[in-house]
Amino acid sequence: EPEVTQTPSHQVTQMGQEVILRCVPISNHLYFYWYRQILGQKVEFLVSFYNNEISEKSEIFDDQFSVERPDGSNFTLKIRSTKLEDSAMYFCASRVGTAQGYTFGSGTRLTVV
Amino acid sequence: TQLLEQSPQFLSIQEGENLTVYCNSSSVFSSLQWYRQEPGEGPVLLVTVVTGGEVKKLKRLTFQFGDARKDSSLHITAAQPGDTGLYLCAGASSNTGKLIFGQGTTLQVKP
Repeated sequence: EPEVTQTPSHQVTQMGQEVILRCVPISNHLYFYWYRQILGQKVEFLVSFYNNEISEKSEIFDDQFSVERPDGSNFTLKIRSTKLEDSAMYFCASRVGTAQGYTFGSGTRLTVV
Repeated sequence: TQLLEQSPQFLSIQEGENLTVYCNSSSVFSSLQWYRQEPGEGPVLLVTVVTGGEVKKLKRLTFQFGDARKDSSLHITAAQPGDTGLYLCAGASSNTGKLIFGQGTTLQVKP
């Protein structure tokens, strides 16, 4: 069964450093998303991406965050200057169309120290 | 702000019992999805319901979407230890398909 692949599975970074989280969505999917889940809290929407541009972003997704789909297969989330409160599981997801359910990746656990 | 309230948050039952998890909102959703999430993994889609009043069955799991498309329920018949896990409901409302998640229900089924 097709999968959404995320790397790395775990990243530890120092506060103020830049991190890039990588995702390879399912190849025929058109809609791409990033969500995050702080330990013990709800899964929260960050950003949606369609047709090579951001289609919606949440209040969490401020100027420190950016997304890219540089080569038609990878989908990245960059955090420019990490804060302690950015520590969370970050999930990439994709889907074929808006009426279908999502396929989520296994996540990247980001720990900011 | 759209919110999905999921209840109960924790449920511990004996094997063979039935249970229902509820997902309620004051907002209308175009679709509602149920996921199951294992520790350290991403949510895995169980079902998507789209039409008000829709009922879908997945073996011993029955999912229902409310007539007004504001609420949903997940009913498990004759629960088994393998059903143990975190169940999440999530509503989609915008054109982009952004999901609003409930806080989840942690189910423990004891043998």
